[in-house]
Amino acid sequence: DADVTQTPRNRITKTGKRIMLECSQTKGHDRMYWYRQDPGLGLRLIYYSFDVKDINKGEISDGYSVSRQAQAKFSLSLESAIPNQTALYFCATTTSGSTDTQYFGPGTRLTVL
Amino acid sequence: QKEVEQDPGPLSVPEGAIVSLNCTYSNSAFQYFMWYRQYSRKGPELLMYTYSSGNKEDGRFTAQVDKSSKYISLFIRDSQPSDSATYLCAMTGGSQGNLIFGKGTKLSVKP
Repeated sequence: DADVTQTPRNRITKTGKRIMLECSQTKGHDRMYWYRQDPGLGLRLIYYSFDVKDINKGEISDGYSVSRQAQAKFSLSLESAIPNQTALYFCATTTSGSTDTQYFGPGTRLTVL
Repeated sequence: QKEVEQDPGPLSVPEGAIVSLNCTYSNSAFQYFMWYRQYSRKGPELLMYTYSSGNKEDGRFTAQVDKSSKYISLFIRDSQPSDSATYLCAMTGGSQGNLIFGKGTKLSVKP
């Protein structure tokens, strides 16, 4: 079984809809991250969490919110989706005792029409 | 100037060639350097990790860091079609810092 899972893997939605992307991990890591990947722009950090009570904005947090329901679960929400949020979204985890090598989930391909 | 610069390619080489992938960076505080490999429609996976300057070798892969020049490289020897992927460099200053990624270089190894 995969250590970092993301649901859904693909999603097509319409402008204005609320969307939630979910991430679960079985690695026992305390740190979790949400990135988006766009062609030509690479990976950009949206939000990150160092533990259940810690939430931090990343480089591009506008239009997004997150929830850390448990150490193993980190959800990303788009309150009112817009077309320029069409992208690949990745969840990643690491442990504070590591050298910051992050482990990525398989990604969610989101299309906003 | 971007913190991390990486030529996006695409780079196409014949099977068996030696591949050189590179990144430059501007932040002298970076100490931890990584290379991730990302296959199409998959998440990035850690390929190589290096602390500070020097070389690290793992099979056909060699990672080099030159902190004086703020330049890191990944060499792939005897490249195989299965090496066809996007390679992303990443780096950070330490355990409290977030990873900064390059944009990735798309590599295609032709049989």
